[in-house]
Amino acid sequence: GQQLNQSPQSMFIQEGEDVSMNCTSSSIFNTWLWYKQDPGEGPVLLIALYKAGELTSNGRLTAQFGITRKDSFLNISASIPSDVGIYFCAGATSGTYKYIFGTGTRLKVLA
Amino acid sequence: NAGVTQTPKFRVLKTGQSMTLLCAQDMNHEYMYWYRQDPGMGLRLIHYSVGEGTTAKGEVPDGYNVSRLKKQNFLLGLESAAPSQTSVYFCASSSQGGEQFFGPGTRLTVL
Repeated sequence: GQQLNQSPQSMFIQEGEDVSMNCTSSSIFNTWLWYKQDPGEGPVLLIALYKAGELTSNGRLTAQFGITRKDSFLNISASIPSDVGIYFCAGATSGTYKYIFGTGTRLKVLA
Repeated sequence: NAGVTQTPKFRVLKTGQSMTLLCAQDMNHEYMYWYRQDPGMGLRLIHYSVGEGTTAKGEVPDGYNVSRLKKQNFLLGLESAAPSQTSVYFCASSSQGGEQFFGPGTRLTVL
């Protein structure tokens, strides 16, 4: 089945550093979602994007809906230890009820 | 407001046994989904429902059945469990076309 390409697959960063990750698709999407999953927990919604070019922030997190509608980006500024986890992107096309999920970016923060 | 809940949290089955996973949501969402999550594979859609009494197949429906008799509940059944169904199962719900909210997951092992 179709999946999104999410990169990087994993990253180790120092506390206080900024983080960037992205998601690309061969299909055009009308909605992009970004989730964070802690070990042993379900994914938690971070940011939702509905319009090409849209830039939305949630605290230290900022996400962008790519203008081609085939990609999305998530940035985390000034990372802290609790940012550790797996970050997933998900995209959906208009009129569908189904999201396609990326394979995740595993983030580890070194104190 | 509990959001999305799942029972049980853990289960171990022998090959050929059957079981039902229960998902409940208290957000009055129309849409509900069942996913499985395997290492390196992201989330894959098993079945989904766009309203009470309706169900549809997702990306990986074989070996599973679902029912949506009440709007707030979505049941996932395994009639004859196989080791390939060892996974973490997540339920999610959403309003029409909106963001999906996930439950905490059920960890299933099939021996």
